[in-house]
Amino acid sequence: NAGVTQTPKFRVLKTGQSMTLLCAQDMNHEYMYWYRQDPGMGLRLIHYSVGEGTTAKGEVPDGYNVSRLKKQNFLLGLESAAPSQTSVYFCASSPRGAGNQPQHFGDGTRLSIL
Amino acid sequence: GQQLNQSPQSMFIQEGEDVSMNCTSSSIFNTWLWYKQDPGEGPVLLIALYKAGELTSNGRLTAQFGITRKDSFLNISASIPSDVGIYFCAGQLGSNTGKLIFGQGTTLQVKP
Repeated sequence: NAGVTQTPKFRVLKTGQSMTLLCAQDMNHEYMYWYRQDPGMGLRLIHYSVGEGTTAKGEVPDGYNVSRLKKQNFLLGLESAAPSQTSVYFCASSPRGAGNQPQHFGDGTRLSIL
Repeated sequence: GQQLNQSPQSMFIQEGEDVSMNCTSSSIFNTWLWYKQDPGEGPVLLIALYKAGELTSNGRLTAQFGITRKDSFLNISASIPSDVGIYFCAGQLGSNTGKLIFGQGTTLQVKP
């Protein structure tokens, strides 16, 4: 009963390093999302995907890239990490984008940039 | 961009008390959702509201979709220690992208 799985759970990076966060879902959902959560600001959408091979920008896309090569996976990349990207990152998925098909979230990746 | 204003920011209550929190927006939403986040975990959906004026319950939780479609509230009755966490409202606009706008969250602490 995995649902949405995020790896890694924790990571510390130095400024300028790159890394990729992996999100995997086993529910055959079409739509997937990447959010970041900062204290006092709720969750903000970084990028999202409405199907395999498609991606789109969300509210705060700068400094991030994504890829959806396989339906079950959604990757979030940081090409050159900056301290401002220190945050908790959440992935979510939903069957479709309609309101009656709410998003299911993973448990997050805690990322610190020094 | 769109914003949701969620209040209160935090609450510290006694076990057994009722709790009320709300969200308001300058934008009209087609769907309102309420999520709860436990420490170290992702948000979990509590209640989804799809029609203006709709009142929905889930156990001790009750939520309403405002008539103007610009606000929603969540009530928790007879709070218990496991209600502790952060509660988020989220609104979905009319598109089919599923994009959500989240409130800033209400942190609830319950004293046994």
